[in-house]
Amino acid sequence: AQRVTQPEKLLSVFKGAPVELKCNYSYSGSPELFWYVQYSRQRLQLLLRHISRESIKGFTADLNKGETSFHLKKPFAQEEDSAMYYCALRGSRSNTGKLIFGQGTTLQVKP
Amino acid sequence: AAGVIQSPRHLIKEKRETATLKCYPIPRHDTVYWYQQGPGQDPQFLISFYEKMQSDKGSIPDRFSAQQFSDYHSELNMSSLELGDSALYFCASKGVQVEQFFGPGTRLTVL
Repeated sequence: AQRVTQPEKLLSVFKGAPVELKCNYSYSGSPELFWYVQYSRQRLQLLLRHISRESIKGFTADLNKGETSFHLKKPFAQEEDSAMYYCALRGSRSNTGKLIFGQGTTLQVKP
Repeated sequence: AAGVIQSPRHLIKEKRETATLKCYPIPRHDTVYWYQQGPGQDPQFLISFYEKMQSDKGSIPDRFSAQQFSDYHSELNMSSLELGDSALYFCASKGVQVEQFFGPGTRLTVL
């Protein structure tokens, strides 16, 4: 079964502290993994995708196939990072492109 | 740049009524996805269309139907509404070589 798990509903850190939002997945194949972010009262936006291996707004995420994880990291959190973060999976066999989302983690960065 | 447009943004209906949600994709995007996000839940894939044909189907109740029109906009029709249908309904569009862009969502409240 295809599944994405984000074990933390809420992650609260102080400004300048490191952040790691956890994401684990279950998929029998080679999935594509994404991180989406939703700022307050805004729409879901793509933050990162694993195939790009890029850093956006200081965030990075590495796909670990052995641990089936795609954790999102940032070395120094900023207050403007406060948002809801969703990890999502797209199956490699899915030519329709549908996404399977995790439950989401609310990141709260305190001043 | 034009984004995905959804209308209405908010909708209040009584039980057993019908509702129609509309989605206008980004120009030149040929694929539309519908997702349902219940309170405190992750977005769940409902249905998708590619070039006006249904391309995939998820956990969409039989009471719901959808279609994509010649101008690529899509409508989600919901009949015999139930209290449990209260949710945020996201539409996303996708073009060739680009990822899904999400609309702001329609918040449906069934009383």
